Amino acid sequence: QKEVEQDPGPLSVPEGAIVSLNCTYSNSAFQYFMWYRQYSRKGPELLMYTYSSGNKEDGRFTAQVDKSSKYISLFIRDSQPSDSATYLCAMTYTNAGKSTFGDGTTLTVKP
Amino acid sequence: GAGVSQSPSNKVTEKGKDVELRCDPISGHTALYWYRQSLGQGLEFLIYFQGNSAPDKSGLPSDRFSAERTGGSVSTLTIQRTQQEDSAVYLCASSLTSSGGQTQYFGPGTRLLVL
Repeated sequence: QKEVEQDPGPLSVPEGAIVSLNCTYSNSAFQYFMWYRQYSRKGPELLMYTYSSGNKEDGRFTAQVDKSSKYISLFIRDSQPSDSATYLCAMTYTNAGKSTFGDGTTLTVKP
Repeated sequence: GAGVSQSPSNKVTEKGKDVELRCDPISGHTALYWYRQSLGQGLEFLIYFQGNSAPDKSGLPSDRFSAERTGGSVSTLTIQRTQQEDSAVYLCASSLTSSGGQTQYFGPGTRLLVL
């Protein structure tokens, strides 16, 4: 079983919809939780990161972490065609360098 | 400023040949990471460097894979006697330090195809 599980989709929504992306994990030692966006044939870019449990909002994006359930979410409000990409969740221990990634969810926002 | 750069952007090689992949991190970043991404998959950790030393090599799939970093800057990932299952995108990232929570900045990757 993988340490981080992510529904690969694909997910297709109309423009303006609210999108919910989720990951579950098994290792309670993870402390930092990240969401990356990856466009086709590009490297991932960090969208948001959260330390421990809680919510974090940045514009149209909201990240939620529930450590008791080992469950993290990314919400995208008023989705745009430019949001079409693969979204990867990732997690890190407090003092370890490497991140453990989910397999990514491919999102298409249709005009 | 300049981001993380990787070369070559694409590499096609024959099974059994050796390949070298290069990563130039962001200037001043002490931590450097190598990941592998197979088609439709997430990122698989290979190795990371803090300065010139590699505290964690746990992700290297076999002894055919090795990496080095010189001068705390450029890193080279070498795959010896390539196999078809080595075909993937090899991504490099750098961060200011290796502490948790540091933003990792990724390069565009090297797409390796082993025929």
